[in-house]
Amino acid sequence: EAGVAQSPRYKIIEKRQSVAFWCNPISGHATLYWYQQILGQGPKLLIQFQNNGVVDDSQLPKDRFSAERLKGVDSTLKIQPAKLEDSAVYLCASSTTVGGVSTDTQYFGPGTRLTVL
Amino acid sequence: AQSVTQLDSHVSVSEGTPVLLRCNYSSSYSPSLFWYVQHPNKGLQLLLKYTSAATLVKGINGFEAEFKKSETSFHLTKPSAHMSDAAEYFCVVTRNTGGFKTIFGAGTRLFVKA
Repeated sequence: EAGVAQSPRYKIIEKRQSVAFWCNPISGHATLYWYQQILGQGPKLLIQFQNNGVVDDSQLPKDRFSAERLKGVDSTLKIQPAKLEDSAVYLCASSTTVGGVSTDTQYFGPGTRLTVL
Repeated sequence: AQSVTQLDSHVSVSEGTPVLLRCNYSSSYSPSLFWYVQHPNKGLQLLLKYTSAATLVKGINGFEAEFKKSETSFHLTKPSAHMSDAAEYFCVVTRNTGGFKTIFGAGTRLFVKA
C-alpha cells in the first residue's frame, strides 16, 4: 500500500513570495490533515478535511494560508505572502473512516521543509 | 479542553538500559492516546495507540505504554534501548467531537549512548 505522498520535499523562498505544497493521501482515506511543525516543537494542526469539506480550520492563519481538496482526494496548501516565521516542516496526514466516522489513526507523509529568507 | 504535556524535552540512556518517556494528558472526554516516533528527516510513524481497551498497550519495536486514568498519564517504556531508537517521540491526544481534535505534545528527544 502506497503511503502519503508530499511534494516538494524542500523549498526555499524569500519573504513575501508565495508557495504551494501538494499532498496525496493513502488511497481511500477520506480524512486529510495539514500540520505545521516548527523546529523544536510538536506538529500543530492547521486544517482537517473530510472528503472535500473542511472539518476544522481553527488554527489556520486565514489571512495568508489557504488549503483546498476539491475532488476529495489530493490537497494543496498555499501560503501567500510568506513570512519568516512560516519556516517549518509542513506535514500531511490521512486517516480512514468507518461508518462515515474518521478513525483516529493518522498516517503521515515525509513532510515539506520550508525555509523563508 | 484537552492538552498533553511531555515532561522531559531530552532523555539520554545507554544502549541496553530501560527507556521511560513521560506523558501526562488532560481531556474532558475519554481520549484516544498515541505515541509517534520521528527519525531525522523521516515522517512520523505510529508506535502504539490506546482507545479504551486494554490499559497496557504494546507497540512496535518493543515499546509499550500504560494508560493510568487516576494519574492522567500515558508513559512510554522499553526494557532495553537500541541505538536505532534514537529519535524524537511525540505523545498525542485526540477526541472525536464530530471530527477529531488532535493535539501533539512538544516532543521528547531520546539519545542512546553506546
